[in-house]
Amino acid sequence: KQEVTQIPAALSVPEGENLVLNCSFTDSAIYNLQWFRQDPGKGLTSLLLIQSSQREQTSGRLNASLDKSSGRSTLYIAASQPGDSATYLCAVRNAGGTSYGKLTFGQGTILTVHP
Amino acid sequence: NAGVTQTPKFRILKIGQSMTLQCAQDMNHNYMYWYRQDPGMGLKLIYYSVGAGITDKGEVPNGYNVSRSTTEDFPLRLELAAPSQTSVYFCASSYVQGAVPTYEQYFGPGTRLTVT
Repeated sequence: KQEVTQIPAALSVPEGENLVLNCSFTDSAIYNLQWFRQDPGKGLTSLLLIQSSQREQTSGRLNASLDKSSGRSTLYIAASQPGDSATYLCAVRNAGGTSYGKLTFGQGTILTVHP
Repeated sequence: NAGVTQTPKFRILKIGQSMTLQCAQDMNHNYMYWYRQDPGMGLKLIYYSVGAGITDKGEVPNGYNVSRSTTEDFPLRLELAAPSQTSVYFCASSYVQGAVPTYEQYFGPGTRLTVT
């Protein structure tokens, strides 16, 4: 059974810092991995999706990497801003014909960026 | 496009009551999903559907039922509500086509349910 773990559970940094959020998964037979952002009381917004054949994806100040063999992904946020404060969720899609795109989520990292 | 919409936003139920959480999407997505999120936890899949008339259980289906009579709508039914069903419920959808789809999911804003 796939299990996804995110470290740290919470992170507080001053504005302007570069930071790394970590995600690990137990079954390396994944189809792809997705990073989401969740603001308090809101739904999830997709940030980046990395297919299993890819090593990284970039969008603006965000860069996500994937090391499938070691079961790890990192989300790098450059030059953090107070508006980046949110919970960041990592989710994995397993490979396999009957998975139907089902996601297994980590518990999230709560990020606070203070001015 | 409104995307994925959910109603109601909030609801308080008494133990033993029933209710239906509504989910609709206007993106012509074929796949739809229901998740629940408990405090401090990630989301867990309750039920999913790969098209109208086809549904299947996810990780935590007990106490819930779904139906998918149209492409747009995917309601979640709670029968005999219990305190353990206090949670935030999210509906999601994706458009799955081609040999290597991404299955990227788009989420609704959620329904916060309390059972007392």
